[in-house]
Amino acid sequence: EVQLVESGGGLVQPGRSMKLSCAASGFTFNNYDMAWVCQAPKKGLEWVATISYDGSSTYYRDSVKGRFTISRDNAKSTLYLQMDSLRSEDTATYYCARHGELGFDYWGQGVMVTVSS
Amino acid sequence: DIQMTQSPASLSASLGETVTIECLASEDIYSNLAWYQQKPGKSPQLLIYYANSLNDGVPSRFSGSGSGTQYSLKINSLQSEDVSIYFCQQNYDSPYTFGAGTKLELK
Repeated sequence: EVQLVESGGGLVQPGRSMKLSCAASGFTFNNYDMAWVCQAPKKGLEWVATISYDGSSTYYRDSVKGRFTISRDNAKSTLYLQMDSLRSEDTATYYCARHGELGFDYWGQGVMVTVSS
Repeated sequence: DIQMTQSPASLSASLGETVTIECLASEDIYSNLAWYQQKPGKSPQLLIYYANSLNDGVPSRFSGSGSGTQYSLKINSLQSEDVSIYFCQQNYDSPYTFGAGTKLELK
């Protein structure tokens, strides 16, 4: 059974940093691209970033370029999102998702990030 | 960026009814279109990929169609467990954009 379990969320002040983790199991992690998708409270879904199966390529939405870094450790089957210079508009639930040619075919339960002073 | 315009924003229907949700892409996405269902308080789940392929375990009352820039999701014989928010998403090009969502409620 595919499982994606996020951790690392919480309350953080504007301008500070936070790192999210996503532990994957139930599939061969290093065969799949992975992504982060966020959802602001009562809002829609927004793709944040994708990393290729081997970590060699990364893609970001414009609003997080230069502030967020997606990375992975295939030996640990873990995906990360380093979020720097956080803004109030980054407040959202962040989902880890497997990103294939079909779309985002498996999702984690999500982790809440609140950026507030 | 490819814009995804989803309609309607909300929909109220009776049990057993058939409902259709539309999604319009701002350019040709060559059927790289996915539909997701998000139940209250839960993570989204993939329903349909490549515009018309049903994901494993998804009931056959769900179907997708379309090509080019126009796509639709149809739910036949609406059940109570179908109350959800539905999102379309283009998987053709980065940034991978979603529609704003359709909230489906029971009448």
